Amino acid sequence: AQSVAQPEDQVNVAEGNPLTVKCTYSVSGNPYLFWYVQYPNRGLQFLLKYITGDNLVKGSYGFEAEFNKSQTSFHLKKPSALVSDSALYFCAVREIGANNLFFGTGTRLTVIP
Amino acid sequence: DTAVSQTPKYLVTQMGNDKSIKCEQNLGHDTMYWYKQDSKKFLKIMFSYNNKELIINETVPNRFSPKSPDKAHLNLHINSLELGDSAVYFCASSQDGLATLSIQYFGAGTRLSVL
Repeated sequence: AQSVAQPEDQVNVAEGNPLTVKCTYSVSGNPYLFWYVQYPNRGLQFLLKYITGDNLVKGSYGFEAEFNKSQTSFHLKKPSALVSDSALYFCAVREIGANNLFFGTGTRLTVIP
Repeated sequence: DTAVSQTPKYLVTQMGNDKSIKCEQNLGHDTMYWYKQDSKKFLKIMFSYNNKELIINETVPNRFSPKSPDKAHLNLHINSLELGDSAVYFCASSQDGLATLSIQYFGAGTRLSVL
């Protein structure tokens, strides 16, 4: 069975500092991994995905994520945080051959001016 | 133009009532989804339709019935509403099914409050 864990409910970072939002996953085979962002009172928006190839994936708004197979992780990163990055971030995983996209419980990122 | 639109945005109703939430996408996508997000922000898929055919039906009470009159619309009807149904319901769509790993586009959500 597939699952995804976001160990931190809340991440606070000062504006201009690098940010990391953690995600680990569990699947039977190779994973397909996604990051989505949810701004207040809005639906989720796609940020980036890893399917295959280069372990470092670049996405929207300057975000990137690194796929680490040995650590079964897919952490989201950004070199310099903006106040406007404050939102709820969801990691999601899908196994090859499965129909479901399984979301983590979300991490609330707050960027402090 | 809004790509995925849901109506209503807010829905407040009494226990036992029947209500519907409508969803429309103008992206030409083949697949549409309904998700439920609870008070702890946990997001779980409920249903998925591909070209009007049901392809995902998670463990959801049969009081919930999706209806897809065409591939641009996926409505959610809920009978005999219960307090535990209070949540935010999101509609989403993608170009193809999950098998092709396409990106899902989400609506703004419908906040359902059952009193």
